[in-house]
Amino acid sequence: GQQLNQSPQSMFIQEGEDVSMNCTSSSIFNTWLWYKQDPGEGPVLLIALYKAGELTSNGRLTAQFGITRKDSFLNISASIPSDVGIYFCAGQTGTASKLTFGTGTRLQVTL
Amino acid sequence: EAQVTQNPRYLITVTGKKLTVTCSQNMNHEYMSWYRQDPGLGLRQIYYSMNVEVTDKGDVPEGYKVSRKEKRNFPLILESPSPNQTSLYFCASRYAGSWNYGYTFGSGTRLTVV
Repeated sequence: GQQLNQSPQSMFIQEGEDVSMNCTSSSIFNTWLWYKQDPGEGPVLLIALYKAGELTSNGRLTAQFGITRKDSFLNISASIPSDVGIYFCAGQTGTASKLTFGTGTRLQVTL
Repeated sequence: EAQVTQNPRYLITVTGKKLTVTCSQNMNHEYMSWYRQDPGLGLRQIYYSMNVEVTDKGDVPEGYKVSRKEKRNFPLILESPSPNQTSLYFCASRYAGSWNYGYTFGSGTRLTVV
């Protein structure tokens, strides 16, 4: 099955710094989603993107749907300790019940 | 509280001993899905269901079975578990026609097969 490539695999940043991560695919997706997973919990939806070129914000988070429909980006501004976790991108096309997830970016925030 | 409930949270079993991981959602969602999470591989879909009695294979279905006899329940069955099925498993659900395509995930089941 197809998987999405996320980079970087992990990041260590200081509190207050901005963070950028991205997700690329060899295939086109109609919807891009970004999830966050806290330790010991299931992923929680952060942002959903539905149109190529779309830029959407949710508080300190901003995500973009790449114009080629093969990539997406997530930015976190002014990071805080509770931003720690694993961030997953997910793409959807065809059957609406099938989501393809990326390999994840593990974020650590130091004080 | 709207949620997806998985049981058990942790399970250690031996090779070949049949087991079932239960999943239940109280949101009247049509779609349900099972994923496994392994280090460096992200989440991979095992099976999904679009409604009662409608199921289909995901990307890694080998060694697993599912059933959807009721809308709220979607159990994952391992008929003869093997060590390569040691993983963290997540059940998820969502509405069929929602503009928000995000699945709601359970808290996970960590399975170890020895």
